[in-house]
Amino acid sequence: QSALTQPASVSGSPGQSITISCTGTSSDVGAYNYVSWFQQHPGKAPKLIIYDVTDRPSGVSNRFSGSKSGNTASLTISGLQAEDEADYYCCSYTTSITWVFGGGTKLTVL
Amino acid sequence: QLQLQESGPGLVKPSETLSLTCVVSGGSISSNTYYWTWIRLPPGKGLEWIGNVYYSGNTYYNPSLKSRVTISVDTSNNQFSLKLNSVTAADSAAYYCASHRGGSSQIDFWGQGTLVTVSS
Repeated sequence: QSALTQPASVSGSPGQSITISCTGTSSDVGAYNYVSWFQQHPGKAPKLIIYDVTDRPSGVSNRFSGSKSGNTASLTISGLQAEDEADYYCCSYTTSITWVFGGGTKLTVL
Repeated sequence: QLQLQESGPGLVKPSETLSLTCVVSGGSISSNTYYWTWIRLPPGKGLEWIGNVYYSGNTYYNPSLKSRVTISVDTSNNQFSLKLNSVTAADSAAYYCASHRGGSSQIDFWGQGTLVTVSS
């Protein structure tokens, strides 16, 4: 299985909004509404911020939102804050009954 | 809430077997809620899903690793394990155990991770 495609890096200024895309195929992202997003700061474990395309775990800021269209899922972060600077990964279920991650996107807050 | 903690050698020789254990606390590994999961992060690369195990013993593996991986559950000690054989330098990574809620994409509780280096 091939990793989902994410941009290597994105950047934005405090207060702005950014969107990170996650492109797969009809065998993963396009097949199910089982896409999640994780935030990972250096040296820390990943943290779940979006699951099942649009849902937020309890305690996660509503500045994080998810969506999907066809084979591409997206994570939007509004009102960028300095602490949002991190690596972000998408993850999707596949028709092979496995899970696949994206290559990761480094978010820089300018 | 669940807490997970990985343990195992930090250094493994090439061609040998990498063995890690994840102890689960705050809940039962025999719960039908979770798939117990291993994920790794090689240096400079992205997260890679290794596989998972259900309390019943059913396993699911990344096709690229399937021939070398075994994940098993030990209900008596509330833990699950990863074995990866014939390792090479490419298997050097931070290894994470995690709980994956069945019927959703929620990988909601993670261990802190353990760094494994493959080197002679």
